[in-house]
Amino acid sequence: DTEVTQTPKHLVMGMTNKKSLKCEQHMGHRAMYWYKQKAKKPPELMFVYSYEKLSINESVPSRFSPECPNSSLLNLHLHALQPEDSALYLCASSQDPGASYEQYFGPGTRLTVT
Amino acid sequence: SQQGEEDPQALSIQEGENATMNCSYKTSINNLQWYRQNSGRGLVHLILIRSNEREKHSGRLRVTLDTSKKSSSLLITASRAADTASYFCATDAVLGAQKLVFGQGTRLTINP
Repeated sequence: DTEVTQTPKHLVMGMTNKKSLKCEQHMGHRAMYWYKQKAKKPPELMFVYSYEKLSINESVPSRFSPECPNSSLLNLHLHALQPEDSALYLCASSQDPGASYEQYFGPGTRLTVT
Repeated sequence: SQQGEEDPQALSIQEGENATMNCSYKTSINNLQWYRQNSGRGLVHLILIRSNEREKHSGRLRVTLDTSKKSSSLLITASRAADTASYFCATDAVLGAQKLVFGQGTRLTINP
C-alpha cells in the first residue's frame, strides 16, 4: 500500500472554530510532513516529524498545532485561523527524513476560512 | 526563500510534441527531484537524480542534471493530454537538510 490518505477532503471553518486535519500512511515511513499550498504556488513546508518527533517547525503560527500520535498518523489541529490561511494542506511521508528520499503525498485538504 | 526556479512558468503544446521544462537552483545539492501535480491534487514523485548522475530516464521522461550550471531539465516525449499538470523541481535547500524546497513550477497544457 503506497497511499497517503487525508481527511477531510474539504473543510470550511469560521475564525473561531477548532478543527483537525488527519493524515495516515501504512508504508512504515519514518518521516511525515505538512505542507501548505496556495493557488498557483509551490508547496511550502510547515512541519516535519521524524521518528514521531517534531524535527522542523518552519516558524508556523501557533494557531496551527501538529501532532503525531503514532508512526502512521499525523494530525494538524487548527484554531482561530485567519482567512489568509485558506489553502490546500498537503500531507506527505518518506521512508526516512531528508531530501534524498522521495515523498509520497496525500490528495490534500482544501481549507476555506470564513 | 525558494531554492529552485523553473522556466517557463507556463507551457502549452500540441499532443504528441515534446515538452521541456528547466529548473535552476542556487546552492550545492545532494539530489534533485521532479514532481507532477494535477490540478488541486497531491503531488506525485516522478524522478530523483543524484548529484553524481547526469541523466536519468523513466518511460517517456528524461531528466538531466548539470551541477556546474546548477540546473536540471525535464523532457516529456510524445506528450499526451493526461500529461497536463504542474511540474515542480525540488532540492535540499541546505546539504543534508531534512526538507525539500520546491521551485515555482511549470504549468504544462497539452492540447488535443
